[in-house]
Parts: sequence; C-alpha cells; structure tokens
Amino acid sequence: GQNIDQPTEMTATEGAIVQINCTYQTSGFNGLFWYQQHAGEAPTFLSYNVLDGLEEKGRFSSFLSRSKGYSYLLLKELQMKDSASYLCAVRGTYAGNNRKLIWGLGTSLAVNP
Amino acid sequence: DAGVIQSPRHEVTEMGQEVTLRCKPISGHDYLFWYRQTMMRGLELLIYFNNNVPIDDSGMPEDRFSAKMPNASFSTLKIQPSEPRDSAVYFCASRVAGGPNEQFFGPGTRLTVL
Repeated sequence: GQNIDQPTEMTATEGAIVQINCTYQTSGFNGLFWYQQHAGEAPTFLSYNVLDGLEEKGRFSSFLSRSKGYSYLLLKELQMKDSASYLCAVRGTYAGNNRKLIWGLGTSLAVNP
Repeated sequence: DAGVIQSPRHEVTEMGQEVTLRCKPISGHDYLFWYRQTMMRGLELLIYFNNNVPIDDSGMPEDRFSAKMPNASFSTLKIQPSEPRDSAVYFCASRVAGGPNEQFFGPGTRLTVL
C-alpha cells in the first residue's frame, strides 16, 4: 500500500523553530513536495526534494532521507502568518504519463504569540 | 498572471441536483488536475488531463462524476446527481510539462450538498 504519515497538529511560539516530520511508504519514489495551505485557501508550493540532504530557502528548509523514507520541513523565526496546514506529497509511480502525487493529510501548525 | 481560476467559490445545493464546477488553468500549462479535499481523506486526485485529453480518471468516485476539457483554457467537473457525501472542497490545479514541476492550485470551490 501507499502511506504518508504526518503529525495532525503542532503548536509553536512566535520566533521559535519548528520541525514538521513526514514519513512515507510508497510503491515508487521520485521526489517529495511540501505545500503550505492557509485555512480556506489553496495549497501553495514550498519546496521539492529528490536527493538526500537539506534544501534551504529563506526561513524554510526541507530535508530528505530516501533510505529512511523520511522528510522534514524546518521553519525558523516563526511568524504568526506561518499558522497553516503543511502538506507532504510524494511523487510516485506513473499513472498515464504523469507521476502521481500521493498526499499526506497535513499538519496543522498554530503559532502563538 | 491571474493564476488558476475556479468558479463558483461556494455552491450550496440540494441532494439530487446537478452541480458544475469550472476551472481556467494558467495559460501555457499542459496538465490540469481536479482534486477533492476533505478532513478525513485529505487531497484526492479525481482526474487529470494532458493537452486537453483525459489521461487518468481512476480517482473519479463513481459514474455520477464526469469531467471535460473542451479546450486548453477551460475544464468542468460535473456531479449528477449530487449527494451529501459529495460535500467537500474541489480544487483545480495546473502545471507545465516536463520535470517535477509544482502544481499551481486554484482557490477551490466549497460544495455543500444538503
């Protein structure tokens, strides 16, 4: 089967650092996306990892370990506007001519003052 | 760029009625995806098109759901007849061909079937 696990909810304090984990078991793997989704809005792209290691993009970083089936999203210097759901999605096997994205249920992050 | 456009943003209907959701992808994007999002099941891919051709509709729940893409700038998702369990947020997304390019999502249509 195909499975992506993320914590359901997390809470952090403004200015702090938070790490959101994602573990996956999929029949194929060709990269992992992180998306941010504010309440009532569309998901928006944050990062993409296909090789092991850390990708840094401003206050956000994403890490991948393919051998462990594990990724995390690291948010630094948290701001209130970072309160959102964070979705992990694995790019899997082909369905037609497109690799299908398998989505986690998302981690709802609440940033408190 | 206007981004992916969806209409209506909200739809409330009664069980048994026909519902049509509309999407305009980003100009130049070759792929269009229809998703459904619920708290219990998260984002589920219903169907996707490549160059206006439906490629994979294995996620369409049942025959009550149908989707079309008559041209590169317009797609519809139709539910007939609608049922309360169809209540969800429906997203349309598009992306360019080649590589692992990210999908750009529309604002979604929140559907409530009473």
